[in-house]
Amino acid sequence: SAVISQKPSRDICQRGTSLTIQCQVDSQVTMMFWYRQQPGQSLTLIATANQGSEATYESGFVIDKFPISRPNLTFSTLTVSNMSPEDSSIYLCSVEGRGPLEQYFGPGTRLTVT
Amino acid sequence: GEDVEQSLFLSVREGDSSVINCTYTDSSSTYLYWYKQEPGAGLQLLTYIFSNMDMKQDQRLTVLLNKKDKHLSLRIADTQTGDSAIYFCAEGGGGADGLTFGKGTHLIIQP
Repeated sequence: SAVISQKPSRDICQRGTSLTIQCQVDSQVTMMFWYRQQPGQSLTLIATANQGSEATYESGFVIDKFPISRPNLTFSTLTVSNMSPEDSSIYLCSVEGRGPLEQYFGPGTRLTVT
Repeated sequence: GEDVEQSLFLSVREGDSSVINCTYTDSSSTYLYWYKQEPGAGLQLLTYIFSNMDMKQDQRLTVLLNKKDKHLSLRIADTQTGDSAIYFCAEGGGGADGLTFGKGTHLIIQP
């Protein structure tokens, strides 16, 4: 399986500010995904990020709020912009595995907005 | 829309078998997954099954799929304290669609 790291692992931020979360993979992958896990809830897909193209966002998520970069095949960033307490969640990066239908997850970034 | 449902809690005695159930609504689901999330840890892919399979076994884990009823189960044999975690069922069509997750089942192990 791929080894995925995320930075920061956790952060406490003030409302109105922005936070950029980094995701690094130990191998080249075509597809990377960003998910959100709100407290006590399931995971919700935010967007799919492919290298060389704009991210594809799921319903309810927009680029202005969650801009994503994918500069190469091993790295991606997700920015949570103009944060409010409702953005307090765990944000997880996911990548496809060696098998095209395996998806592996990073350890997550726990964000608290005050 | 797509929906994946799971019971929120399951309590079993150590040494017994645990059976975690999941239902899904998307008939085009091609692949179904079980993930494990331990406290403070990330998601660990346990196993997945293709929709054209009925069963998959991997050591203590057995996955059963009833495609007609859109029902998926995960059986953990000889449940141990280390199995205590949240288990997520997820479904996907493959490709760039990502996965749709259930809310997770908290598996509680009684001594």
